[in-house]
Amino acid sequence: EAQVTQNPRYLITVTGKKLTVTCSQNMNHEYMSWYRQDPGLGLRQIYYSMNVEATDKGDVPEGYKVSRKEKRNFPLILESPSPNQTSLYFCASSRRTGTEAFFGQGTRLTVV
Amino acid sequence: QQPVQSPQAVILREGEDAVINCSSSKALYSVHWYRQKHGEAPVFLMILLKGGEQKGHDKISASFNEKKQQSSLYLTASQLSYSGTYFCGTAPLPGSARQLTFGSGTQLTVLP
Repeated sequence: EAQVTQNPRYLITVTGKKLTVTCSQNMNHEYMSWYRQDPGLGLRQIYYSMNVEATDKGDVPEGYKVSRKEKRNFPLILESPSPNQTSLYFCASSRRTGTEAFFGQGTRLTVV
Repeated sequence: QQPVQSPQAVILREGEDAVINCSSSKALYSVHWYRQKHGEAPVFLMILLKGGEQKGHDKISASFNEKKQQSSLYLTASQLSYSGTYFCGTAPLPGSARQLTFGSGTQLTVLP
């Protein structure tokens, strides 16, 4: 089954404790991206990747890092989480830019 | 810059019609529409490319006026299953390295 898998689905952490949210897709898609969703703001892009070892900032990259060492995986790293990063996070992949995006099930992160 | 969606919310009865609008301050190459049900990931509905082609998906259709940089989503004879938040996503150029920029969403509630 074609899918984008995110883990964990829910995470509560404390300020400053490094964390990683994993994202994996099994569709051999070139493009992957991370979004955060906040009430009233919709989906805002954090980082995107055009292919392996090719990543770039989206609209709200501050406080986040990503890596793309393999085509299927695109982890999101929060080196020192802060409460303003409490949000619902989605990973998405698509065959190429401008084509249908497939979203993971989301990760609800709470930073206290 | 995020596209602007209107209305922000709409409530209608089963069988009624609704229109959701999406406008951008930038020239657009394509507009994407997604629906997100509560607690779930966004799901792709359709893509409209520059050229004004109208598309349909069951009783949901959309138009794209690239001169006005606007797109509209038409929901005809609404069903209960249409409830959710609808997002438009815009892409400025074909082959652009950037992924979609989403609007803040329109919450649609269909009542029996």
